[in-house]
Amino acid sequence: EPEVTQTPSHQVTQMGQEVILRCVPISNHLYFYWYRQILGQKVEFLVSFYNNEISEKSEIFDDQFSVERPDGSNFTLKIRSTKLEDSAMYFCASRGYGNQPQHFGDGTRLSIL
Amino acid sequence: SQQGEEDPQALSIQEGENATMNCSYKTSINNLQWYRQNSGRGLVHLILIRSNEREKHSGRLRVTLDTSKKSSSLLITASRAADTASYFCATDYTDKLIFGTGTRLQVFP
Repeated sequence: EPEVTQTPSHQVTQMGQEVILRCVPISNHLYFYWYRQILGQKVEFLVSFYNNEISEKSEIFDDQFSVERPDGSNFTLKIRSTKLEDSAMYFCASRGYGNQPQHFGDGTRLSIL
Repeated sequence: SQQGEEDPQALSIQEGENATMNCSYKTSINNLQWYRQNSGRGLVHLILIRSNEREKHSGRLRVTLDTSKKSSSLLITASRAADTASYFCATDYTDKLIFGTGTRLQVFP
């Protein structure tokens, strides 16, 4: 069964450094998302992306965050200058056209030191 | 804002028993979905129920939706040790999912 893949599985970065999290959505999907889950808390929506532009973003998704679909397969989340509070599990999701469920990757655990 | 709240927060049962988890939310929805998360892993989609549906089945899973009460329940029948995980409901009105706090299910062999 096709799945969403995320790399790396674990990223350790110094505070203030830039980090790029990578995702390969399911190949025929058109809608892409990033969510995060701080340890012990709810999964929170960050951003949705369709037709090469952001559809919706949350208050968390400030100017330090950006997303890109640089080619036909990858979908990336960049955090420009990481803060300690950015430490979390970041999940990528994608879905197909119509009223379809979002399918999630296994996540990238981001640890900011 | 929409918020899903599941209860109970934690549930421990023996293999073979049924597990019921409930979810409440606050605003209008298009769909309600249930996901499972094994420890340290991603979210696995279990079932999607549309706002005009009242009940849906998938294998050992049964989901009900009561939009007048803004609540849903997930029933897992004949539970197995492999069902041990956290279960989340997620609602959507726009395209984003709003997740609940989750129920941690432990199934003892």
